[in-house]
Amino acid sequence: EAGVAQSPRYKIIEKRQSVAFWCNPISGHATLYWYQQILGQGPKLLIQFQNNGVVDDSQLPKDRFSAERLKGVDSTLKIQPAKLEDSAVYLCASSLDGLGSGRGRETQYFGPGTRLLVL
Amino acid sequence: GDSVTQMEGPVTLSEEAFLTINCTYTATGYPSLFWYVQYPGEGLQLLLKATKADDKGSNKGFEATYRKETTSFHLEKGSVQVSDSAVYFCALIGPNDYKLSFGAGTTVTVRA
Repeated sequence: EAGVAQSPRYKIIEKRQSVAFWCNPISGHATLYWYQQILGQGPKLLIQFQNNGVVDDSQLPKDRFSAERLKGVDSTLKIQPAKLEDSAVYLCASSLDGLGSGRGRETQYFGPGTRLLVL
Repeated sequence: GDSVTQMEGPVTLSEEAFLTINCTYTATGYPSLFWYVQYPGEGLQLLLKATKADDKGSNKGFEATYRKETTSFHLEKGSVQVSDSAVYFCALIGPNDYKLSFGAGTTVTVRA
């Protein structure tokens, strides 16, 4: 079974530029997550989609970050304009569903991440 | 809210040594518990999980037991290898939640 795919793997931009990341979840997974992982910290959830609807975007800096999941499969995360503090690894994850059913359906599988450096 | 606390690193060991990384949690009800591993330059990989009390998750020689009485999910491996060098994250999802709450991560370095 193919895992979560992400591209690009690395990106270097200057502040105030824009950047976009792409994610393709595991086939059949209804729930998709975007995380931000700053060096030395655990991942922080930015946004969660259930199919093509947003479940939680409470920690997404909406003045500069946007995300979409058209057709409930692939997703893109955009930053415009980027700031120095946006330098981080952006991780995409997917799960069968997003409910804490206790039967493992909420187990999240992560892609390799996109390492962003803002200069 | 739900949270996870794991022992701080870094941890440096010699090959074939015993590894323990402590993890305790705070949650209402019975969360699902996870250990993720992040090898250098790679994304997070699910190492093992347990979804109910007294469950033992195991994978690649690693084990962790869900202890409700001590609210713990300590990770152990009896004989580490250089290839086990990585950052290990303890995490949980609450019983009526969807958010993964991560610990800060523990960096483990195994020397030959």
